[in-house]
Amino acid sequence: DTAVSQTPKYLVTQMGNDKSIKCEQNLGHDTMYWYKQDSKKFLKIMFSYNNKELIINETVPNRFSPKSPDKAHLNLHINSLELGDSAVYFCASSQDLAAHRSYEQYFGPGTRLTVT
Amino acid sequence: LAKTTQPISMDSYEGQEVNITCSHNNIATNDYITWYQQFPSQGPRFIIQGYKTKVTNEVASLFIPADRKSSTLSLPRVSLSDTAVYYCLVGDGGKLIFGQGTELSVKP
Repeated sequence: DTAVSQTPKYLVTQMGNDKSIKCEQNLGHDTMYWYKQDSKKFLKIMFSYNNKELIINETVPNRFSPKSPDKAHLNLHINSLELGDSAVYFCASSQDLAAHRSYEQYFGPGTRLTVT
Repeated sequence: LAKTTQPISMDSYEGQEVNITCSHNNIATNDYITWYQQFPSQGPRFIIQGYKTKVTNEVASLFIPADRKSSTLSLPRVSLSDTAVYYCLVGDGGKLIFGQGTELSVKP
């Protein structure tokens, strides 16, 4: 069984389109994250949700909107896609962030987004 | 805001011990230090985590000095399959800061 899954694995789209990436975890974790990894392999956190509540919201364009229907799911919706949005997006989950301040995260396989 | 610094790349040979150091000057008092391994086209994978002194598991050791401003990941007797990018992660006031990653290349 896949612990953290993402769909789709690849996403090719044109500038200006709106797209969503879905993430699900079956680990029973309370916290989920979205990361962006650029072509230089820098990993940058975008959002973190704990029990469906937004905890971390880094400075990302408001075209990016996370949505958590329940604590097992954290989807990422992107409006008006731009060339600079091309990257690999990773979803991750961990135990309660606030309780232990530890960051043993389990990552999904990534979604490679290409904007043309 | 914590800033983390790692070497960009390292080379090693099979069977050698590899030590990768991460500097994190402004780590918060309660924050842990975590290391991840990433292979091409995969998500990062947890290796080891620690708070202070030394932690050892079946794949690696983590050394953290008393001031906690740095940490060293030690991989004993590396093999070709250890070729990957290694990231350190520290928290700072709720922010999670990954290092830029160290690309380790293990040669036969």
